[in-house]
Amino acid sequence: AQRVTQPEKLLSVFKGAPVELKCNYSYSGSPELFWYVQYSRQRLQLLLRHISRESIKGFTADLNKGETSFHLKKPFAQEEDSAMYYCALQTGANNLFFGTGTRLTVIP
Amino acid sequence: GAVVSQHPSWVICKSGTSVKIECRSLDFQATTMFWYRQFPKQSLMLMATSNEGSKATYEQGVEKDKFLINHASLTLSTLTVTSAHPEDSSFYICSAKKGGNYGYTFGSGTRLTVV
Repeated sequence: AQRVTQPEKLLSVFKGAPVELKCNYSYSGSPELFWYVQYSRQRLQLLLRHISRESIKGFTADLNKGETSFHLKKPFAQEEDSAMYYCALQTGANNLFFGTGTRLTVIP
Repeated sequence: GAVVSQHPSWVICKSGTSVKIECRSLDFQATTMFWYRQFPKQSLMLMATSNEGSKATYEQGVEKDKFLINHASLTLSTLTVTSAHPEDSSFYICSAKKGGNYGYTFGSGTRLTVV
């Protein structure tokens, strides 16, 4: 069965500091992984997906199949990055399974 | 773009009554929509996959007779919580996938409170 684990429920960093949100997954098939973000009082929205290998708002995430990880990173955190971040795994059935989320707070 | 509208945003109902939640794709057609449920401080849990013109596919442990899903058109899926009880109180979110590079788009969610 598939599983997505985000070990940190809360993460606080100072503005300008690097940030890494951890995500590990378990899936027998070929994974397709995403990061979603939910800003305060807004809906969930796609931040990035591993297959596009893009950088959005300064965030990047590399799929490490050996470690079954898909950690989200940003070299210099900004206050506007404060939000809830969800790692998600898409299975072959096109279903999305979410981790429990990490609330990131960037301290001014 | 790819916009999904969910209605209502919040609803309070009496125990034993039924509540319908609508999910609409506003600017694209969605043959498949997804319904999620989120308990406080927990993750989004996939409840079911709604397929246009056919029966929904429910995840293990989700009562299909309690959570009725209808996907009668390419732009509308509804979730009806039948004979609601306080333990059904939760945050329900729908999503749809437009295709191409759009990925999944989410509705704004519905907060259901059963009293």
